[in-house]
Amino acid sequence: EDKVVQSPLSLVVHEGDTVTLNCSYEVTNFRSLLWYKQEKKAPTFLFMLTSSGIEKKSGRLSSILDKKELSSILNITATQTGDSAIYLCAVEGARYDQFYFGTGTSLTVIP
Amino acid sequence: EAGVTQSPTHLIKTRGQQATLRCSPISGHTSVYWYQQALGLGLQFLLWYDEGEERNRGNFPPRFSGRQFPNYSSELNVNALELEDSALYLCASSYYRSEQYFGPGTRLTVT
Repeated sequence: EDKVVQSPLSLVVHEGDTVTLNCSYEVTNFRSLLWYKQEKKAPTFLFMLTSSGIEKKSGRLSSILDKKELSSILNITATQTGDSAIYLCAVEGARYDQFYFGTGTSLTVIP
Repeated sequence: EAGVTQSPTHLIKTRGQQATLRCSPISGHTSVYWYQQALGLGLQFLLWYDEGEERNRGNFPPRFSGRQFPNYSSELNVNALELEDSALYLCASSYYRSEQYFGPGTRLTVT
């Protein structure tokens, strides 16, 4: 069964800390892995990683795809209270043309 | 550029009734995805429409159905509502298999 697992489920850090969020997957015919940030309702797109683009960076956020280990990490450096959110990982599989979402990591940044 | 829009924001129905949720994609996007996010659960894939056709559906009963109109907007219908259908329903749009952009969601409450 195709699945995406994220860890940890929740995380509380202080402003300025660096955090690493994990996403592992078992998805048939992997196409891409996406990271989203969900604050109130709608997830907002962060990164898309594919076989041809295994590392992405935007400001304090960066992500790496490890196709050998079937996993990805999302790093956030110098965290701010505005980073508090649920971070979702999604994997697209070619076999059933579906996107599989993990249950997310809830990040809380304390001032 | 306008984002994905969904209506209504909130919807309250009673068991056995039907609910209709609407989604307008970002201009130029041809794909619309529907997801259910129940309390405590991750995003569950419901339906994928592209170019007016249903391309795939998740593991949901047939009383969850929908359609995509010629202008690429989409409608999700849930018949014979059950209490466990109470959830946040998110719509996302993309340009065929690129990253998805989410709407603000419709909160459906079944009493």
